[in-house]
Amino acid sequence: DTEVTQTPKHLVMGMTNKKSLKCEQHMGHRAMYWYKQKAKKPPELMFVYSYEKLSINESVPSRFSPECPNSSLLNLHLHALQPEDSALYLCASSQAVQSYEQYFGPGTRLTVT
Amino acid sequence: AQKVTQAQTEISVVEKEDVTLDCVYETRDTTYYLFWYKQPPSGELVFLIRRNSFDEQNEISGRYSWNFQKSTSSFNFTITASQVVDSAVYFCALSDLKLIFGTGTRLQVFP
Repeated sequence: DTEVTQTPKHLVMGMTNKKSLKCEQHMGHRAMYWYKQKAKKPPELMFVYSYEKLSINESVPSRFSPECPNSSLLNLHLHALQPEDSALYLCASSQAVQSYEQYFGPGTRLTVT
Repeated sequence: AQKVTQAQTEISVVEKEDVTLDCVYETRDTTYYLFWYKQPPSGELVFLIRRNSFDEQNEISGRYSWNFQKSTSSFNFTITASQVVDSAVYFCALSDLKLIFGTGTRLQVFP
């Protein structure tokens, strides 16, 4: 089973809302990732968790707050977003960081109004 | 600096044609890994292949084949007898501490 699930599939939120994106994997992977992808661009790394600890933060604004409650779950808390934050948010997991293939979820398409 | 270049922005072919997607990479590391991912219109990135820098053997998986040449820093991907379902954006990537993606090649296969 190489499935990574993400909820919700679509999200529309106002700039004053607070919402969360959820990601889950049951492959026993110890690394999990959040990416942001704008139209016609490659994914951009936001955060990396390794063994449930944040190991990389790619200078992401604090209005994005990641959380890894356990080895299978990854959340991305959103608060006071801007319209330019509208994008496809992809979660991925891999056996460990560095050199292992990453398996991606279907993404959450976020629109900030 | 680590870099991946996919010079072909968009390729259009008719079904059953063969098509090759080019990927050129730059790295100073002696040990590295290369990947190809497919992103269909639904949005999910699908892992296709991982190749380490010590294994230059070409790989074939059904209609897909990959040609890795360290001498030219290239890792090209060929689809034989293309089908409409192959229409997608294909990303080549290089591993560092994180994945470094190329800009992608949009492949359109027309019936």
